[in-house]
Amino acid sequence: KNEVEQSPQNLTAQEGEFITINCSYSVGISALHWLQQHPGGGIVSLFMLSSGKKKHGRLIATINIQEKHSSLHITASHPRDSAVYICAVMYTGNQFYFGTGTSLTVIP
Amino acid sequence: NAGVTQTPKFQVLKTGQSMTLQCAQDMNHNSMYWYRQDPGMGLRLIYYSASEGTTDKGEVPNGYNVSRLNKREFSLRLESAAPSQTSVYFCASSVTGANVLTFGAGSRLTVL
Repeated sequence: KNEVEQSPQNLTAQEGEFITINCSYSVGISALHWLQQHPGGGIVSLFMLSSGKKKHGRLIATINIQEKHSSLHITASHPRDSAVYICAVMYTGNQFYFGTGTSLTVIP
Repeated sequence: NAGVTQTPKFQVLKTGQSMTLQCAQDMNHNSMYWYRQDPGMGLRLIYYSASEGTTDKGEVPNGYNVSRLNKREFSLRLESAAPSQTSVYFCASSVTGANVLTFGAGSRLTVL
């Protein structure tokens, strides 16, 4: 079965803290996306990874293909980072598989 | 550049009524998808279309039909709505190779 596991499910942090969200998948993938969903809002893709590391502002995404694991890091977290973060992977074919999401709340 | 446009944003139906969710993308993407999102569950694929003229069932296709009218448009139809179909529906599109994945704003459907 093509499973995507995210941890933690819920995360509360103080403003300024360094945050890590993890994603593990079961078999080899062709692409992995980190998505962000604000309350009542749509879903946007933050990163697409197939190897290595990407950085955009205070967000950093890494992937370890051998360990089938990806992490999303947020440095100097801010209340506006509060959202649900979702990991999505594509195995062979055209279908994406999604984790259940990590709900992040950053307290001022 | 509008990206992926979904309509309607909100809809309330009575059990047994039918409706169609519309989705259009202007990014020349080949693949289009319909997902539903329910509390505590990840996005689940209803149907997808890898290219114009083709559609395939996803994880939860029962009670739904789709049409890939052309490369831009992919509609989702509920023929006889049931309360279990109360959900938030997302349309998405991607290019071959999956290096771009774009979602619509979502459609909140309530079936009474």
